[in-house]
Amino acid sequence: DAMVIQNPRYQVTQFGKPVTLSCSQTLNHNVMYWYQQKSSQAPKLLFHYYDKDFNNEADTPDNFQSRRPNTSFCFLDIRSPGLGDAAMYLCATSRDLVQPQHFGDGTRLSIL
Amino acid sequence: KNEVEQSPQNLTAQEGEFITINCSYSVGISALHWLQQHPGGGIVSLFMLSSGKKKHGRLIATINIQEKHSSLHITASHPRDSAVYICAVRSRRDTGNQFYFGTGTSLTVIP
Repeated sequence: DAMVIQNPRYQVTQFGKPVTLSCSQTLNHNVMYWYQQKSSQAPKLLFHYYDKDFNNEADTPDNFQSRRPNTSFCFLDIRSPGLGDAAMYLCATSRDLVQPQHFGDGTRLSIL
Repeated sequence: KNEVEQSPQNLTAQEGEFITINCSYSVGISALHWLQQHPGGGIVSLFMLSSGKKKHGRLIATINIQEKHSSLHITASHPRDSAVYICAVRSRRDTGNQFYFGTGTSLTVIP
């Protein structure tokens, strides 16, 4: 059974039109991560939540925001997507910051 | 310069060969992860190490904290092992508590 679920698998949005990607987990893990992965590159961590504490990576653009309304759900909001934001977005969870991460299957975002 | 360097970048092996992928890092770490990514994007966490050695089936991961080096070994390789293998480290809290990724090693195992 999938434990980290990302919806949708594929998302298409227009240039500049806000888009939200969702991630849910059934593991009751404390930490939820959002990664961006562009073609042929390693995943890049955007931010993570430890419980309700939001931790932004230093080089994450302001265009990217996140919300975690409860333990199970975490959202990635892209306020004004540009062509360079087309990528695979991966969600992961872990019990703690130094525990193994469990990844979702990702959402592939395309920008028209 | 990347905080995490992997070698080789690309690797082709015959089925049954013993495979080693190397990872060197330059920051003090609290943990090192080996990840496997298959075509299509799905990522599986293979190992999380902070010292010593771990084994899971045909996979073995080792880490030498003093030398800041880790290796991932695959014994009796199989075409289904074909994937990108990524090394990632979490730096220690006193050095920023950040996550750094290597650029990955693309492995192709030929039948």
